[in-house]
Amino acid sequence: DAKTTQPTSMDCAEGRAANLPCNHSTISGNEYVYWYRQIHSQGPQYIIHGLKNNETNEMASLIITEDRKSSTLILPHATLRDTAVYYCIVRVVEAAGNKLTFGGGTRVLVKP
Amino acid sequence: DAGVIQSPRHEVTEMGQEVTLRCKPISGHNSLFWYRQTMMRGLELLIYFNNNVPIDDSGMPEDRFSAKMPNASFSTLKIQPSEPRDSAVYFCASRKNTDTQYFGPGTRLTVL
Repeated sequence: DAKTTQPTSMDCAEGRAANLPCNHSTISGNEYVYWYRQIHSQGPQYIIHGLKNNETNEMASLIITEDRKSSTLILPHATLRDTAVYYCIVRVVEAAGNKLTFGGGTRVLVKP
Repeated sequence: DAGVIQSPRHEVTEMGQEVTLRCKPISGHNSLFWYRQTMMRGLELLIYFNNNVPIDDSGMPEDRFSAKMPNASFSTLKIQPSEPRDSAVYFCASRKNTDTQYFGPGTRLTVL
């Protein structure tokens, strides 16, 4: 799986949009971009994923650049409960054996 | 659905003792993953099963660790004998085919 690079930490103001960048310059054509987050003392939680088109769900939006070498996760209106470590993961989706390789992630602190 | 269920949630044991962690995946999911999380090493995949068959156990630290999945609704991760360096949070996750993984709440293991 392609390696990802994320900032170690970032702060965000409550109610504002949080934009989390991720670089994956060695991504292959059949690799998806996945985002998970881990709130303190909980298991990782799936947020969103995409291949090349921008995606949106009830939690967040995912913007993938045209060359697919980077992406941004957008939390449109951050709340205090969004404080967590956010992981950007790139992986191939196949019938069996597609495992998630977690990097260091970005520690996001949402402040009042 | 109840989600992935893990037991116990907390385990404290003494060095040399056998430890058994348990996981019940989400009904209908056919893949199961065991992860370990420590401050030093982050979140690591230990082993995963597909249709109850171990597919990749390359992440299992050593022979003291073993995992089984006797049926589609139950898996165990056993450490025998346990050592202080095994102290960590152990997560179980499950997935249906190539869909996203859903994580359990984790078992916090402390080996004294």
